[in-house]
Amino acid sequence: AQSVTQPDIHITVSEGASLELRCNYSYGATPYLFWYVQSPGQGLQLLLKYFSGDTLVQGIKGFEAEFKRSQSSFNLRKPSVHWSDAAEYFCAVVRGGSNYKLTFGKGTLLTVNP
Amino acid sequence: DGGITQSPKYLFRKEGQNVTLSCEQNLNHDAMYWYRQDPGQGLRLIYYSQIVNDFQKGDIAEGYSVSREKKESFPLTVTSAQKNPTAFYLCASSDSFGKPQHFGDGTRLSIL
Repeated sequence: AQSVTQPDIHITVSEGASLELRCNYSYGATPYLFWYVQSPGQGLQLLLKYFSGDTLVQGIKGFEAEFKRSQSSFNLRKPSVHWSDAAEYFCAVVRGGSNYKLTFGKGTLLTVNP
Repeated sequence: DGGITQSPKYLFRKEGQNVTLSCEQNLNHDAMYWYRQDPGQGLRLIYYSQIVNDFQKGDIAEGYSVSREKKESFPLTVTSAQKNPTAFYLCASSDSFGKPQHFGDGTRLSIL
């Protein structure tokens, strides 16, 4: 079965520092990959997506992610974190052969220190 | 602006009671979904619908029911058979296979 692993449950960084959130997936073919962000008590907002082509994708709010097939990874990065980036981040993959259905990782909670 | 509206934002259920969560979208999307979110568990799929008058069970459908009588509406009923209903419920929609899902702001359900 397909799965998505976010190894870090909680990450704390200082404002202005760089950020990398890890995501690994298990899936035979090239999946469709997504990163979402969730502020407390809110729904999820799409940050970026990868379908095919260039393996480095740019998203909103200054985020980017790189698809590495050899490592089955899709890590999210930001060069300089802002206090407003504090939220929970979810990696997700569309399951093959089962239209529309996403499998989500369990999320990484980001805390930003001033 | 187009989007997904979930109501109410907070809901309380008594023992033995069924409650219905509303989800409406004006994005003209064909597919709609219901997820349950528990702390540290990510999102788990309850039900999804690819087209009007059709829906499929997700991973945790027991104790829940849905209907899809209109393209824009996909209400979720939490029945008394769901013994642990306390959670944050999220509705989403997408327009076709592989396209990103758009989410509502959620409904938090608690037991009285």
